[in-house]
Amino acid sequence: DAGVTQSPTHLIKTRGQHVTLRCSPISGHKSVSWYQQVLGQGPQFIFQYYEKEERGRGNFPDRFSARQFPNYSSELNVNALLLGDSALYLCASSLETSYNEQFFGPGTRLTVL
Amino acid sequence: QKEVEQNSGPLSVPEGAIASLNCTYSDRGSQSFFWYRQYSGKSPELIMFIYSNGDKEDGRFTAQLNKASQYVSLLIRDSQPSDSATYLCAVIRGSGTYKYIFGTGTRLKVLA
Repeated sequence: DAGVTQSPTHLIKTRGQHVTLRCSPISGHKSVSWYQQVLGQGPQFIFQYYEKEERGRGNFPDRFSARQFPNYSSELNVNALLLGDSALYLCASSLETSYNEQFFGPGTRLTVL
Repeated sequence: QKEVEQNSGPLSVPEGAIASLNCTYSDRGSQSFFWYRQYSGKSPELIMFIYSNGDKEDGRFTAQLNKASQYVSLLIRDSQPSDSATYLCAVIRGSGTYKYIFGTGTRLKVLA
């Protein structure tokens, strides 16, 4: 079975632009979470979606938004990019929410110039 | 005070020794606890999870949870050079809506 997939692998944008990152969960998993990881830090929780509804939100500005589609794949959108948005963006899938363990995709490396 | 705290390390242990990694958390409402391993340039890989007080063993790994003292630990027996990585502790808290909180990770070096 395929694991969590993310696209693109790498992305370079300039300040003020918009970016969309995509994630497909493990088959049968209904929940997708998004994280931002900067070098030397642990992943920071951005969103969790389950059955197309937002189930959790971290401390990120409204420039960050996400959605989940009927096939359980998900998109993370970031508007008005800042230099500080440069990071590894990780998607994780789980069967449901609450206690379920999460499995991470390979990540999208975003560089904002 | 950070919600999840880990010593950043590096923690150096000789090959074959036991590596002990610790994590403390501040919110008593935290419910589920996870250990991930992350190699440089890669995404986190789930090692173990634990929900109840006590020990949970899986191969060379043992997770220990003490909710009264608000700490969770990971023991790696017979450490191998391939275990050299950053180990991330994560907790989940919430009901209905959830927050997943990761520590900054402990870098482990297993010396051959």
